[in-house]
Order: sequence, then C-alpha cells, then structure tokens
Amino acid sequence: SYVLTQPPSVSVAPGQTASITCGGTNIGGKSVHWYQQRPGQAPVLVVYDDSDRPSGIPERFSGSNSWNTATLTISRVEAGDEADYYCQVWDSGTYHWVFGGGTKLTVL
Amino acid sequence: QVQLVDSGGGVVQPGRSLRLSCAASGFSFSNSAMHWVRQAPGKGLEWVAVVANDAINKYYADSVKGRFTISKDNLKNTVFLQMNSLKPEDTAVYYCARDRGGAAGGFDYWGQGTLVTVS
Repeated sequence: SYVLTQPPSVSVAPGQTASITCGGTNIGGKSVHWYQQRPGQAPVLVVYDDSDRPSGIPERFSGSNSWNTATLTISRVEAGDEADYYCQVWDSGTYHWVFGGGTKLTVL
Repeated sequence: QVQLVDSGGGVVQPGRSLRLSCAASGFSFSNSAMHWVRQAPGKGLEWVAVVANDAINKYYADSVKGRFTISKDNLKNTVFLQMNSLKPEDTAVYYCARDRGGAAGGFDYWGQGTLVTVS
C-alpha cells in the first residue's frame, strides 16, 4: 500500500515561514491535499490538488508537489496556525485514500 | 450552507455491532461521494470507507473490509456506517466527509465526529 511520510513536528517563530513536507514514491504524479486539525476539532481542508486553496483559506497557505516530496508552506505564521497538519492522496492502484502520519506545528 | 452531522457513537463490547449515521444538508447529496474517516485517541487520521454518488460503488480500508459496510440513502440525505464484529482497535472518533469531486478530490466538508469506544 502507498505510504506518506511526514515529520512528527515542526516549530517556527511567529511571522516566519513554516514548511511541512510529505514524502511518497513518485508523489509528484498524484494530487496532494492538506488538512489542518486543531485540538478537539474536525479537520479542515486548506490545500487541494497540490496548490489550490478552498474559499476562505488565507493566501498564506500554499502548496507544491514535485518528484518524491509535496510541501505545505505557511507564510507569516500566526499563533492560530498551531495545529496538526495531514497530507493525503488517492492511491489509484487500490482505490484507497491515504493520509500521512501528521505533523504537529508549534508556534514558538 | 453545507452541514454534516455525525451520530450513533457510544460504548460497545467487543464482537458487537454499531451503526453510525451522518445527516447531510446544504448541497446536492445525490451527486456527492461520501467517506468515513476515523481517528484513534492521540493518533492520526485513517480513511475507512467511501461510497460513490450513485450509492453503488464502495471501497474499504483493509482494516475494516468484511466487517464494516458503508451505505448512502439519497432520499434521506444520509450516509451510514454499519460496524460489525467490533474490536478494541476500532475505538476512535469517526467523521463523515464529503468528497470534493474530480479524479482524486480531497474532502472539503467534515462532520463534527462521533466517538466509538469498544470495551
């Protein structure tokens, strides 16, 4: 089955840029989606199809995807961005949806 | 506006059954594929199952295949997850989610989740 690998944690100071990676074999050939989950809340889609943002998501959130790594970038990080972030793809070989293990973003 | 309301969770003994429901409103339910996703306490997200918009095609994670059944009632705008032969490792918050559409769309709306405890 397809595996997505994320770093367990990322720390960043307010106002700086946070980058969260998602590794997978030839992930550049798949559409990657990113979710934000604050404690006790349901996940929220923040980036879909590698780099598109749903309505209502700030432009500070952006995504890229190439070769074996997809990246979620959060610019001008705010305290409210502190949350767990998950990447996701659809595995066409098994018709399963796969999540990465999640990355806890800490705002220092 | 789009709303998904999850219900049906509770405490159940191992080997028993439980049925979860997700009531949808604010969008064309019959044109949407729907998913169940779960999250064990302190753990990450795990995709469980999907039912296509036509309520016919269904796919399951290996961890639940043969025990769980997803269904969709396009008249009642509700998606269900029938869970049989429950195991302690099925303990989790279960979320329903709408598929955004497209070839490999993400999940753009989620329910609030319902907690299932198998003990």
